[in-house]
Amino acid sequence: DQQVKQNSPSLSVQEGRISILNCDYTNSMFDYFLWYKKYPAEGPTFLISISSIKDKNEDGRFTVFLNKSAKHLSLHIVPSQPGDSAVYFCAASLQGGSEKLVFGKGTKLTVNP
Amino acid sequence: NAGVTQTPKFQVLKTGQSMTLQCAQDMNHEYMSWYRQDPGMGLRLIHYSVGAGITDQGEVPNGYNVSRSTTEDFPLRLLSAAPSQTSVYFCASSDPGGYSGKNIQYFGAGTRLSVL
Repeated sequence: DQQVKQNSPSLSVQEGRISILNCDYTNSMFDYFLWYKKYPAEGPTFLISISSIKDKNEDGRFTVFLNKSAKHLSLHIVPSQPGDSAVYFCAASLQGGSEKLVFGKGTKLTVNP
Repeated sequence: NAGVTQTPKFQVLKTGQSMTLQCAQDMNHEYMSWYRQDPGMGLRLIHYSVGAGITDQGEVPNGYNVSRSTTEDFPLRLLSAAPSQTSVYFCASSDPGGYSGKNIQYFGAGTRLSVL
């Protein structure tokens, strides 16, 4: 039973355009959400996060939107750059200060020059 | 600043062999965890530790043992390797203190393991 779902295994966009990566979750007890970026042969690196008390968090070209009623979050990258080509993982943690993260299966983003 | 260091980077085992994957962090983080990544499966939690002397099972603990004798080190042991344990293994650590950094886990570069 997958609690964090990334239904698009891959996404291809043109350089300069917007990339939108989606993530759905089923557990209403999740209260903190994170996006990680992973290049081949490297470990995942933290990108951006959002608390359930917010609906948007922005950091430079990266913005995460949270729709709690729909149990949906999305990562927007504007403008997309070839260096953004990587696998993006959505992750969530439970209320109560738990450090445990539940990860989605990832979406491979390819940004074409 | 080294962060999270995993050794070895690559390993090939025969079925039935045992080995230990090493993980060390120099950030004084209390929380450490082990994940495995398989194609199409994302990252799955194997074992985790909230501090020295305290460990617990994650989603896929069978076939793996852990211990946490120090804050810095969190080794993962395969007692009798099986082909199903062929995977890429990641160790991560985080500091629970401070809401701004809540749950931000820092990952090592991974160990690619093949069991023949």
